[in-house]
Amino acid sequence: NAGVTQTPKFQVLKTGQSMTLQCAQDMNHNSMYWYRQDPGMGLRLIYYSASEGTTDKGEVPNGYNVSRLNKREFSLRLESAAPSQTSVYFCASSQDRVGGYTFGSGTRLTVV
Amino acid sequence: GESVGLHLPTLSVQEGDNSIINCAYSNSASDYFIWYKQESGKGPQFIIDIRSNMDKRQGQRVTVLLNKTVKHLSLQIAATQPGDSAVYFCAAAFNKFYFGSGTKLNVKP
Repeated sequence: NAGVTQTPKFQVLKTGQSMTLQCAQDMNHNSMYWYRQDPGMGLRLIYYSASEGTTDKGEVPNGYNVSRLNKREFSLRLESAAPSQTSVYFCASSQDRVGGYTFGSGTRLTVV
Repeated sequence: GESVGLHLPTLSVQEGDNSIINCAYSNSASDYFIWYKQESGKGPQFIIDIRSNMDKRQGQRVTVLLNKTVKHLSLQIAATQPGDSAVYFCAAAFNKFYFGSGTKLNVKP
């Protein structure tokens, strides 16, 4: 089925460890996004990529880096995980505004 | 920027009743709005959208109302079913999307 695929679904890290969250879409969308979702708060944009080869910071980029590997793939890296990065992370893609974003099923990350 | 908020964190309704979920936004330049449904353990899913040149749009069992004067939109779900139990949130866009925190809809059998 067409959509956005995220891996892994669950991850537990120790403080200071690093990891990369993977995201791939097969809808030929130009734009891709990484959000985090915390209890009681709306989705907050970490980074986005408007097109292949470009990336830009969102509202909460500190502690994260991204790579737009090609048109399909957009990865999110935590270089030194902190407990404040415990959250559910969603990747999304879009062609344009109409219809909004297609979201992946999320990665639940716990940093202890 | 934009600030998007929902009026109630939780809403409980009886199966078969109509549900109304509300959302407020702050930026009058927002011109496109979407309601999403998020089931437990899943990503948000598009339900219905509305542009700022409309005040009402209907889908299958869902209606979105937009009041630009007070910067408010609502999602109405007719004949609410147990499968409608989820978190619902709105998104408002002028250059990019801003998301509300969500209302959890509980449907009582």
